[in-house]
Amino acid sequence: GENVEQHPSTLSVQEGDSAVIKCTYSDSASNYFPWYKQELGKGPQLIIDIRSNVGEKKDQRIAVTLNKTAKHFSLHITETQPEDSAVYFCAASIQGQNFVFGPGTRLSVLP
Amino acid sequence: DGGITQSPKYLFRKEGQNVTLSCEQNLNHDAMYWYRQDPGQGLRLIYYSQIVNDFQKGDIAEGYSVSREKKESFPLTVTSAQKNPTAFYLCASSTGLAGGAQYFGPGTRLTVL
Repeated sequence: GENVEQHPSTLSVQEGDSAVIKCTYSDSASNYFPWYKQELGKGPQLIIDIRSNVGEKKDQRIAVTLNKTAKHFSLHITETQPEDSAVYFCAASIQGQNFVFGPGTRLSVLP
Repeated sequence: DGGITQSPKYLFRKEGQNVTLSCEQNLNHDAMYWYRQDPGQGLRLIYYSQIVNDFQKGDIAEGYSVSREKKESFPLTVTSAQKNPTAFYLCASSTGLAGGAQYFGPGTRLTVL
């Protein structure tokens, strides 16, 4: 079955710097890759996603890149702010069916 | 407002008691899911349902049961057979179609006393 790895497990950056979180997946049939932000005590919130027919997608300060050949995808956050501090999860899905999640990255943005 | 609701937000249970967690969605999604999250951990799939009156076990189904009698509702029962039920429980839904996003509810924190 699908396996998703995520690195790093923790990440600290200075306010205004960029943050990058990387994920790899094992099943080449996976074709949908969402990213979630989870604040303490709340449910994960979808922040951006990418489908396998696209190599890059951007939404304001957040971007996601996908390399299907290497089977990895990354989340990029620019101009980080304290409110970006949270746990971020990547996931992979085949045809919108079962979603397999990475273990999460705890991002801390230091003022 | 469209979305997923879970109730209650906090739930306390004595050992040996069954408890049911509610999950309702008005997104007209076919697929619904239950996940368990332990402190500092990722999401583990308990059960999922792709269509009404049908559901499948996930990775950690032992000690849990579900039903899917209505498209909007997917309640989870934590039975006394679940050895370590204290956790944060998350419900999610999706269209079930290719490229369909999965959306999460706010979660229920269950504590066994």
